[in-house]
Amino acid sequence: GIQVEQSPPDLILQEGANSTLRCNFSDSVNNLQWFHQNPWGQLINLFYIPSGTKQNGRLSATTVATERYSLLYISSSQTTDSGVYFCAVLTDSWGKLQFGAGTQVVVTP
Amino acid sequence: GAGVSQSPSNKVTEKGKDVELRCDPISGHTALYWYRQRLGQGLEFLIYFQGNSAPDKSGLPSDRFSAERTGESVSTLTIQRTQQEDSAVYLCASSLTLAEQYFGPGTRLTVT
Repeated sequence: GIQVEQSPPDLILQEGANSTLRCNFSDSVNNLQWFHQNPWGQLINLFYIPSGTKQNGRLSATTVATERYSLLYISSSQTTDSGVYFCAVLTDSWGKLQFGAGTQVVVTP
Repeated sequence: GAGVSQSPSNKVTEKGKDVELRCDPISGHTALYWYRQRLGQGLEFLIYFQGNSAPDKSGLPSDRFSAERTGESVSTLTIQRTQQEDSAVYLCASSLTLAEQYFGPGTRLTVT
């Protein structure tokens, strides 16, 4: 099956810093989603992005489907950005998402 | 509008007992998915419903796991004769067909 790799596995940021999270996938995909799992376990939709670039406030994402990767940018990080960021790809005609292992982000004041 | 809801939020059960987990999808969403998340890990797919049929059950870990869905509405995931390795958070998601998936808050299952 398709492999989804996220890097780095862990990230510690000072409040106000910028960062880039990466998601590589091993085969062509129909779609890609980025999620933030907050400390209470809720998965929050960030981006639904098969290709191109999208921005939502301090967050933006870029997917280059032909090169099989996606990037999530966090600018001017805040403590509320802490949590785990997951990339998930749509792999088949049923819509099953294959998740990466996540990037654990800790933003310190 | 209302998001995906799940109940109970927490469930503690003794090894060997059966449990039922419930998911109420977003109204109008035709597709419904169950995933499992073990502590500190990513999500693993369990089963997918399109309407009330389940074309993909490939992720169910054993025959102790089953699921059903009523129309395009509520779904229940049943685990029979629970084992300690079943302890995890069980997450439900819904979507329009092949569209963006939205997740519920999950049910944290602890098997003692």
